[in-house]
Amino acid sequence: QKEVEQNSGPLSVPEGAIASLNCTYSDRVSQSFFWYRQYSGKSPELIMSIYSNGDKEDGRFTAQLNKASQYVSLLIRDSQPSDSATYLCAVNRFRDYKLSFGAGTTVTVRA
Amino acid sequence: EAGVTQFPSHSVIEKGQTVTLRCDPISGHDNLYWYRRVMGKEIKFLLHFVKESKQDESGMPNNRFLAERTGGTYSTLKVQPAELEDSGVYFCASSQEEIAYNEQFFGPGTRLTVL
Repeated sequence: QKEVEQNSGPLSVPEGAIASLNCTYSDRVSQSFFWYRQYSGKSPELIMSIYSNGDKEDGRFTAQLNKASQYVSLLIRDSQPSDSATYLCAVNRFRDYKLSFGAGTTVTVRA
Repeated sequence: EAGVTQFPSHSVIEKGQTVTLRCDPISGHDNLYWYRRVMGKEIKFLLHFVKESKQDESGMPNNRFLAERTGGTYSTLKVQPAELEDSGVYFCASSQEEIAYNEQFFGPGTRLTVL
């Protein structure tokens, strides 16, 4: 079983729609959860971090965490063509610095 | 504020040769990490420095890989001798000290191709 799994893509959504990205993790002692956005050939860019159960909103992005279900998601509202990228879910364990990444989900926003 | 920088952006070498990758973290970040992504796989952790000390090198694949961070500033990752399976993108990241909310910021990566 992989440490971090993301829903397989690619995910294609029309402009203005909501893109929903899912991520599950296997280690119950995971404590910090991150979403990175990566454009082709560029560095992963941190867009959201979440540490407590519930929702966290930042602009058009909402991260949702459910530790009991070992599940973290990212919603992108009012999707724009500039949101087209690969989204990486990353997790680290309690008292551990290293990140475990999912394979990523590629999102394409159709104009 | 300058982000994490890496050099070179691309490197193409022959099997058996040596390559050295460099990473300059964000100024003031004591934590520096190396990660690698090989074709079709997830980004994988290689090692972690706190200042000049290796905190965790559990992800280093074998003793052909040597990482240093002299003076606690920039870091180098040397592969000697390089093998075909070392091809991939090597990312460096850095973060500030506090572990609980350890947001790591990544550099653009070095794409290594071993022929």
